[in-house]
Parts: sequence; structure tokens; C-alpha cells
Amino acid sequence: EDKVVQSPLSLVVHEGDTVTLNCSYEVTNFRSLLWYKQEKKAPTFLFMLTSSGIEKKSGRLSSILDKKELFSILNITATQTGDSAVYLCAVEGGGSNYKLTFGKGTLLTVNP
Amino acid sequence: KAGVTQTPRYLIKTRGQQVTLSCSPISGHRSVSWYQQTPGQGLQFLFEYFSETQRNKGNFPGRFSGRQFSNSRSEMNVSTLELGDSALYLCASSLVSRGGKSVETQYFGPGTRLLVL
Repeated sequence: EDKVVQSPLSLVVHEGDTVTLNCSYEVTNFRSLLWYKQEKKAPTFLFMLTSSGIEKKSGRLSSILDKKELFSILNITATQTGDSAVYLCAVEGGGSNYKLTFGKGTLLTVNP
Repeated sequence: KAGVTQTPRYLIKTRGQQVTLSCSPISGHRSVSWYQQTPGQGLQFLFEYFSETQRNKGNFPGRFSGRQFSNSRSEMNVSTLELGDSALYLCASSLVSRGGKSVETQYFGPGTRLLVL
């Protein structure tokens, strides 16, 4: 069965800190790994990673995928209170029988 | 461009009843995927519709069904509701089918919060 495990489950930091969120996976016929930010209701798309070792960056956020070790990390530098959210990792797999499996998320709280 | 809309936003039902949730995708998007989100299980994929056809299905019982109309709007139906069906139901739209070879970003709607008593 496909599995996505995120760690830590929750994290409390102060503004300005740097955080690293982890996502490890076991999935059949890996296609891509996606990161989402969920603040109140709708998850919003952050990154999609398909190739190993290539960093994706968007402002203070960056992510990298290691397909050999089956994990990805999401880095947030100089955190702000607006970064407080649940960060979800999802993995696409299954080949022609497409499947999308989500992790349970990491709850990040950034205190002023 | 208007985002993905879902109706109703909140719903309270009792066990044994059935419920229909609606999702209108972003204009021009032809794929709609449905997800169930609960504190215990996280976000779980229900199914995806593209061009009025179910393309992919997650591991949910047959009580969960859906359909898509010619204007790409989609409905999800849950029959014989159980307490465990209480969840946030999210739909997401994208231009092309997630099951296809093209990689396409999904855009999520605000969700329907269903409470089963």
C-alpha cells in the first residue's frame, strides 16, 4: 500500500527561524511529489518535484527531492507569522491507474 | 478568473441519510478530483472525473459516488451516511486529467464541511 509520512507532526518556532519539514514515501510507479500549504480550508499549491536533486525555490520557500532515498524536504527561511499553516506532502503514483496519496501534514506555528 | 466553488459550505445530516455535494471548477478546467479530509486519516483521494467519465478511484466504499456534467461541474453523493463520514470534502480542478501524461497543477475549492449526527 502506498504510504506518505511527514515529520514532525507539529512544530512551533519564532519569527525569523528557519524550519525544515520532512516527507518520506513508499509508492508504486512514482510520478511526482507535491507540497501544499493549507491555512484554513483550501490547500494551495507550493511545489511539484519530479527530478531528484533539483531544488525548487519560491521566495523564502524551497524544496528538494531525493528519489533514491525516497524523501523530500521543504525549507522555509526567515519564517513569518503568515507561514503558520498545515503543510501537506502528496505523492502521485500508480502508473496508468493514477493515485494521489497525501501525508497527514505538519502543523507549523510561527510565533511573533 | 473565479476559483473553484463548492456548495454547500456546511451541512449537517443524520446517519442513514444521503447527501449530494457540488463542485464548480475553474472556467476551462475539465478535470475535477474529490478528496475527504479528516483529522485521523488526513487527505484521502476519492475519485477524479474528466470529460464526464470517472478516470481514477481511491479506496472508498461504493456508498461514495460521483458524476460530472458536460459543463465540467461535478457532484459527489454519499448514501447511507455513517458517523465516520463526517469530514471536510474538498474538490480540486485542473486543465487536464491527473491520470494523463501531462502534469498539471490542481486548484482546490474551500470545501464542504459535513457533520453526520
